[in-house]
Amino acid sequence: DTGVSQDPRHKITKRGQNVTFRCDPISEHNRLYWYRQTLGQGPEFLTYFQNEAQLEKSRLLSDRFSAERPKGSFSTLEIQRTEQGDSAMYLCASSLTGLTSSYNEQFFGPGTRLTVL
Amino acid sequence: GQSLEQPSEVTAVEGAIVQINCTYQTSGFYGLSWYQQHDGGAPTFLSYNALDGLEETGRFSSFLSRSDSYGYLLLQELQMKDSASYFCAASANQGGKLIFGQGTELSVKP
Repeated sequence: DTGVSQDPRHKITKRGQNVTFRCDPISEHNRLYWYRQTLGQGPEFLTYFQNEAQLEKSRLLSDRFSAERPKGSFSTLEIQRTEQGDSAMYLCASSLTGLTSSYNEQFFGPGTRLTVL
Repeated sequence: GQSLEQPSEVTAVEGAIVQINCTYQTSGFYGLSWYQQHDGGAPTFLSYNALDGLEETGRFSSFLSRSDSYGYLLLQELQMKDSASYFCAASANQGGKLIFGQGTELSVKP
């Protein structure tokens, strides 16, 4: 257990429905990242925040995806009008910015597995 | 574009040493990280290199050559529990997003 929690752990939905996932990072971590991972692939970057500011969003990410981190603590990732291609593990990670190499470590949560029928 | 290449599978026996290579092509490069992921689990951090050379952490070591856009992860005294997927990941700035390779599945045999 890294200290990063995600909810729910599993989500099954029908195509066209909206889903929302939550991530609670390690409390003192100011950066929060979202990744998506499909079977046999490495995690794919989606977006990341420093405190409440969204610093970068993947150009591959469609407008159906939106993420927030309203108070610089927990974050939500919403997918609107889900498609079967959205089926994946959605991973959240957090880190602490700083000057030493140890600040490059990202701590991953257990992920939310989304299945779109 | 940004891409990282690593072998898809490696097999080794308990007690042996194995090296997993990673070559990268990125538009900006700050450092190379290595993560381990067991089936059904979350990626966990193993090692990080920002400068050329070898970083040693217990049984695991990681190497980076920026001029060759190349790095490797060295696992010594392999144990059965080391069977997992190993990912190299590049970052373009400190604390920024990670771009992951497709992963190397390591199987450790008795």
